[in-house]
Amino acid sequence: RKEVEQDPGPFNVPEGATVAFNCTYSNSASQSFFWYRQDCRKEPKLLMSVYSSGNEDGRFTAQLNRASQYISLLIRDSKLSDSATYLCVVKNAGGTSYGKLTFGQGTILTVHP
Amino acid sequence: NAGVTQTPKFQVLKTGQSMTLQCAQDMNHEYMSWYRQDPGMGLRLIHYSVGAGITDQGEVPNGYNVSRSTTEDFPLRLLSAAPSQTSVYFCASITGENEKLFFGSGTQLSVL
Repeated sequence: RKEVEQDPGPFNVPEGATVAFNCTYSNSASQSFFWYRQDCRKEPKLLMSVYSSGNEDGRFTAQLNRASQYISLLIRDSKLSDSATYLCVVKNAGGTSYGKLTFGQGTILTVHP
Repeated sequence: NAGVTQTPKFQVLKTGQSMTLQCAQDMNHEYMSWYRQDPGMGLRLIHYSVGAGITDQGEVPNGYNVSRSTTEDFPLRLLSAAPSQTSVYFCASITGENEKLFFGSGTQLSVL
């Protein structure tokens, strides 16, 4: 089993739709969780961190479920500009003071008119 | 403040050739790393460094060398390029405060 798994999609949704992605992780001791966004042929950029209590940033909501070992990203009122690949990142203890960061393979989202 | 600068953006090599991918950051980050990204595989850690003079192996280090003589620079060397090293390479640095990764713009490498 991969350490971090995502449904690669692609998810094709119309503008204005609500879409949700899940990401499962295998290490129950994982410490921190993040969602990154990667546009085609560009570098990944941090979208949001995921906090235990869940957090929201505008149209984006991130949730953490430690019992079932998954995180989720909900996008409301999808825009054309939301089309990108969304990467789940999990940090585990060990290795260095910065921990070990493991990336999922990414979920492709395409928002169409 | 340029962030993370990575060069070149594109490179084509023949099998057996060597080359160095350059990475520099001006944010005084201690931690720097190199990833490769392949379709369906996500980003995989090649090598990382937690400060000048300190480097360590990541998940897929074979065929690559790194050094960290200064805080700013973290070059990645391909010793003898192989077709399996065809990939997109990203350099990244991290701030310990909020654990945010800052990536360079990437290098598309093709080994023929």
